[in-house]
Amino acid sequence: DTAVSQTPKYLVTQMGNDKSIKCEQNLGHDTMYWYKQDSKKFLKIMFSYNNKELIINETVPNRFSPKSPDKAHLNLHINSLELGDSAVYFCATSSDGSSGNTIYFGEGSWLTVV
Amino acid sequence: GDSVTQMEGPVTLSEEAFLTINCTYTATGYPSLFWYVQYPGEGLQLLLKATKADDKGSNKGFEATYRKETTSFHLEKGSVQVSDSAVYFCALRGQAGTALIFGKGTTLSVSS
Repeated sequence: DTAVSQTPKYLVTQMGNDKSIKCEQNLGHDTMYWYKQDSKKFLKIMFSYNNKELIINETVPNRFSPKSPDKAHLNLHINSLELGDSAVYFCATSSDGSSGNTIYFGEGSWLTVV
Repeated sequence: GDSVTQMEGPVTLSEEAFLTINCTYTATGYPSLFWYVQYPGEGLQLLLKATKADDKGSNKGFEATYRKETTSFHLEKGSVQVSDSAVYFCALRGQAGTALIFGKGTTLSVSS
């Protein structure tokens, strides 16, 4: 069983479309994250949820909307896709209690906007 | 705010060479420090971590020591293999429940 699973792994779509990326974790963790990795490999936090509540919301266009239906899921919906949204999106999870707790990452969703 | 600076790559080495990837950080308080590795086409995997000053994290022959006095967490390996070719990320986490802050990543290429 994959601890943090994302779907789809690859997504090619046209500008202006709306798409979603789903994330599920079976680790029982309280906190889930979305990171964006750009073409230069730089990783930046986008959102963080703790027990379905939004905790971190970095400077991200409001075309991006995270949704957490329950503690095990955090989905990312993107409206009106732009070329600059092409990136790899990583879902991640961690348990609370210590800054030393490991954050576990999914395998990534490669989004290409054409 | 908190930040991580790691050496720019790419780093190109021959098999069995010694590896050092420098990482320094800026943070308030006492963060936990991590090294993650990303193999081509894959996600991020935790390589090692250290949660307090003078702790040494180690895994798969890699090691890094949390140096509070120099705010550093340099990654080392005595003898690299071709299979170590990947992108290595240094990261910190200031408090429980907060996100990891990553350095820009260092690409390592090892040739036989």
